[in-house]
Amino acid sequence: TQLLEQSPQFLSIQEGENLTVYCNSSSVFSSLQWYRQEPGEGPVLLVTVVTGGEVKKLKRLTFQFGDARKDSSLHITAAQPGDTGLYLCAGGRSNFGNEKLTFGTGTRLTIIP
Amino acid sequence: EAQVTQNPRYLITVTGKKLTVTCSQNMNHEYMSWYRQDPGLGLRQIYYSMNVEVTDKGDVPEGYKVSRKEKRNFPLILESPSPNQTSLYFCASRTTWVLGYGYTFGSGTRLTVV
Repeated sequence: TQLLEQSPQFLSIQEGENLTVYCNSSSVFSSLQWYRQEPGEGPVLLVTVVTGGEVKKLKRLTFQFGDARKDSSLHITAAQPGDTGLYLCAGGRSNFGNEKLTFGTGTRLTIIP
Repeated sequence: EAQVTQNPRYLITVTGKKLTVTCSQNMNHEYMSWYRQDPGLGLRQIYYSMNVEVTDKGDVPEGYKVSRKEKRNFPLILESPSPNQTSLYFCASRTTWVLGYGYTFGSGTRLTVV
């Protein structure tokens, strides 16, 4: 059973458009992280959110953690070709001092110039 | 530069031939972990270590071993590789003392077992 569902799985849009990707779960997480992975490389951390309802901005990227800490969204404004990549969300749950991360299967984003 | 270094990047081996994938980090992180990434299945944790000499199984530990004799190194050992272990492997590290602190990942090892 996949605990973190990401949607859409694939997204291809024109440069300059806006987009939102979603990360949903029935479980409550202590934190939610977003990563971007490019071909042939490991995932790179974009942001961590830890408070329900928290919103963080990273240039044209806006991340939101749901009020109930079960879901998150990533919104990109005026997408650019450099935003192309695999976007992964990861939910953290604390367990005896070990915060276990569960990764979603990802959203593969392609920005067409 | 803060980084996690994995070696080798690519490896083709035959069934049953023992191999080790090395992982080293220079950030003094306590927590290290191995993941495998497969199409449609995402990143799944194989083993993790919360500190030196402290290791535990993740979600898919069968067929793998690890050790943590030094804080910076966390090798992944496949004693008798099988074709179903063909995958893309990532080592990652982080500090344990901050809630939600993200991972630093290595660049990956693409393993093919024939």
